[in-house]
Amino acid sequence: AQSVSQHNHHVILSEAASLELGCNYSYGGTVNLFWYVQYPGQHLQLLLKYFSGDPLVKGIKGFEAEFIKSKFSFNLRKPSVQWSDTAEYFCAVTRVPGTYKYIFGTGTRLKVLA
Amino acid sequence: EPEVTQTPSHQVTQMGQEVILRCVPISNHLYFYWYRQILGQKVEFLVSFYNNEISEKSEIFDDQFSVERPDGSNFTLKIRSTKLEDSAMYFCASSPGRGNYGYTFGSGTRLTVV
Repeated sequence: AQSVSQHNHHVILSEAASLELGCNYSYGGTVNLFWYVQYPGQHLQLLLKYFSGDPLVKGIKGFEAEFIKSKFSFNLRKPSVQWSDTAEYFCAVTRVPGTYKYIFGTGTRLKVLA
Repeated sequence: EPEVTQTPSHQVTQMGQEVILRCVPISNHLYFYWYRQILGQKVEFLVSFYNNEISEKSEIFDDQFSVERPDGSNFTLKIRSTKLEDSAMYFCASSPGRGNYGYTFGSGTRLTVV
């Protein structure tokens, strides 16, 4: 069955540190890829998405992600985190073609220390 | 920015009782979804809904669950006879189409079954 792995469950960083959160998926066909963020007490918000084209995708709030097809990975990066980036981050995948239901990873809880 | 609205934000119910979770998707969206997240676990797909019928459902979505779009604006999830293991955060989402779109999620309803 298709799955999505996020290996970092909890990450603690100081402000201005660089961030990379891993996401790997297990499906050999075409996929759409997403990163969502959930700030404390809020809903899931779309950070960025990849459908096709340039594998380096830029999203909101200075985040970017790189799709590496050979590694089945879609890692999220930010060069310099801020305290306000404290949140939980979810990677999600949909199969193409398919029903476009999301398969989510378990999430990574990021805490940024001021 | 348009939002998906979910009510109530928190519901406590006794085991065996029926609950209805309500969602108002974005008005021009055509596809609607319910997901749930049991505490500490992944966000899981429950059901997708289009053109007034279920387009896909997961194995979690058994006969105890039903969805309805009763009036063209609301999208409801009913659990007929709640069990303790139904305690979770339930997220509604909508999207304008099935192609290259990301969902917009609601802020969730925390269901606690006691």
